Amino acid sequence: ELKVEQNPLFLSMQEGKNYTIYCNYSTTSDRLYWYRQDPGKSLESLFVLLSNGAVKQEGRLMASLDTKARLSTLHITAAVHDLSATYFCAVGEDDKIIFGKGTRLHILP
Amino acid sequence: KAGVTQTPRYLIKTRGQQVTLSCSPISGHRSVSWYQQTPGQGLQFLFEYFSETQRNKGNFPGRFSGRQFSNSRSEMNVSTLELGDSALYLCASRYLAGGSEQYFGPGTRLTVT
Repeated sequence: ELKVEQNPLFLSMQEGKNYTIYCNYSTTSDRLYWYRQDPGKSLESLFVLLSNGAVKQEGRLMASLDTKARLSTLHITAAVHDLSATYFCAVGEDDKIIFGKGTRLHILP
Repeated sequence: KAGVTQTPRYLIKTRGQQVTLSCSPISGHRSVSWYQQTPGQGLQFLFEYFSETQRNKGNFPGRFSGRQFSNSRSEMNVSTLELGDSALYLCASRYLAGGSEQYFGPGTRLTVT
């Protein structure tokens, strides 16, 4: 059974700092997704990573995938308050997509 | 292009009742997946439909069922509601099953009293 683990689950950080969210998964997969969810809202797709070594960047967020290590990272550079949200990674297995528990990120001004 | 729509957005039901939720995918998308989100269990996969056929099912009791119509619109039904069914129900559509990106709807907030 595919398991997806994110850490940390909660993160409070100062504006301007850098930090990384980690996503480990238990079976072979080459499909990794990152989503953002604001309180009371739906999920917004951030990145889709489809191959080993894939790296994608959008603004202050950069995601990477290492399929050999079964690890994806979401790196936040010079955090700003607007990035406060819950971030989910999700892994594709066959046609299912299994989500991690999410990382609640709170950025202090 | 219009996004994924879900109706109703909010619903309050009583234990023992049944409920039907609706999801209209993005035009041209043939796959619709349903998820349940709760604070305790997080986001859990319910099922996926593609071209009117259920392709995958998560680990939920038979009280949870769904279907997809020829226009790709999907409905999910929960019978004999329990308090624990209170959740945000999200549907997501994608062009094909497999690796293609999913787009989520705004969700239906179900409260069971």
